This record gives sequence, C-alpha cells and structure tokens, in this order.
Amino acid sequence: DVKVTQSSRYLVKRTGEKVFLECVQDMDHENMFWYRQDPGLGLRLIYFSYDVKMKEKGDIPEGYSVSREKKERFSLILESASTNQTSMYLCASSTGLAGVETQYFGPGTRLLVL
Amino acid sequence: AQKVTQAQTEISVVEKEDVTLDCVYETRDTTYYLFWYKQPPSGELVFLIRRNSFDEQNEISGRYSWNFQKSTSSFNFTITASQVVDSAVYFCALSGLNRDDKIIFGKGTRLHILP
Repeated sequence: DVKVTQSSRYLVKRTGEKVFLECVQDMDHENMFWYRQDPGLGLRLIYFSYDVKMKEKGDIPEGYSVSREKKERFSLILESASTNQTSMYLCASSTGLAGVETQYFGPGTRLLVL
Repeated sequence: AQKVTQAQTEISVVEKEDVTLDCVYETRDTTYYLFWYKQPPSGELVFLIRRNSFDEQNEISGRYSWNFQKSTSSFNFTITASQVVDSAVYFCALSGLNRDDKIIFGKGTRLHILP
C-alpha cells in the first residue's frame, strides 16, 4: 500500500514565524504535490515537483516555497506565516504523468496561524 | 480552461436511500481523465475511481456506480443503499494528458447519511 505521511496533524504558529510542513512517501513516486483546502474553495494546488530538486508553481504559490532534496520527501515552507495561511494542508504523491496517474494523499495538517 | 463543477454543496439522506452526486466538467482536450475521491472526517483523500475519456461504459463497484456521459460532460456518482460510513466529502476531478497538466478538483459535495 502507498503510504504518504505528514509530519504533524495539527500545528499552531504565530504570525511571522517560519513554518515547515514535511511530507514523506514510501512508494518511490516521482511526483509530489502540496494543496491547501479551505471551506467553499475545495483543493488548490500550491506547488508540485516532478523530480528531486525540481519544483513547479501551482495555482497559489504566493507566500510559500518548497524543497525536494530527496525523492521521498517534499517540504512546504511558509517563510513568514500570516493568518490567511490558516488552512488544511494536504500532501500527495503519484507516479508517471502528473495529471494522469492517481494521486495518493496524506492525512493532512491543520495549521492555525495566530 | 478546465473546470469541474459540483453544484451540490451539501446533501443529507437517510440511511439506505440511494444518492447521486453530480459532477459536470469543462475541457477543450479530446483526451482526458476523470476521478472521484472520498474525504472522510479523518481528512485523508481516498481514491475511488479513474476513468479515461475513451471509456464511456458505466462502472459499478459494490454499492458505488459511476455514470460517464460525454454528451453532457458529466461524471455522476451514485451510492446505492447508503450507509452512515459513506458520510464524507466527495471530490470530482479532471486532468489532461500533457506532462504539465494538473488535476483540477471540484469544490466537493459534503454528504451526510443520517441513521
């Protein structure tokens, strides 16, 4: 079974803090994704990566950066957290063509920025 | 531009009733993929089905069935004899076949199955 894990289920941070969200997958997938989920807005893609050290902007990259130093790990970084980044963050991974193949999701991290 | 519309924001039905979740999509691609995912209260999205645009046959998996109609650009999902464990948010999604295509998700339908 594909397993995608995220470092925290719940996180509380203060405005201006630097926040790291970690995601690890154990199926040797090439593609990894970060989404945020907000009520009424569904899932919105922040960044994705096709391969180690590669990254592509999604639909809402502003205020975020990512790092992929190893194939199995994809980190989302909030350089200076703001209250409007309070959200549910979901990581996913897939193999093959990014848009075609099934994405497998982690359990999500609920981030609250005070 | 690609778009997925799930017009039903929230649905409530009594256990054992059948329920259909609607999904309408827009795309200029001739070849594309459609997906349904389930998000239970635990938060993790669970893959349910992937269908490519060449295959218009309906799919049945236990109590779940999917009706793909290219003529109306719809990919509806029906749960027969619903159960409380079916309570979740359900997402329909669309993607193309190009390397840089991304999956476009609908906004989801929250389904409540009442005991």
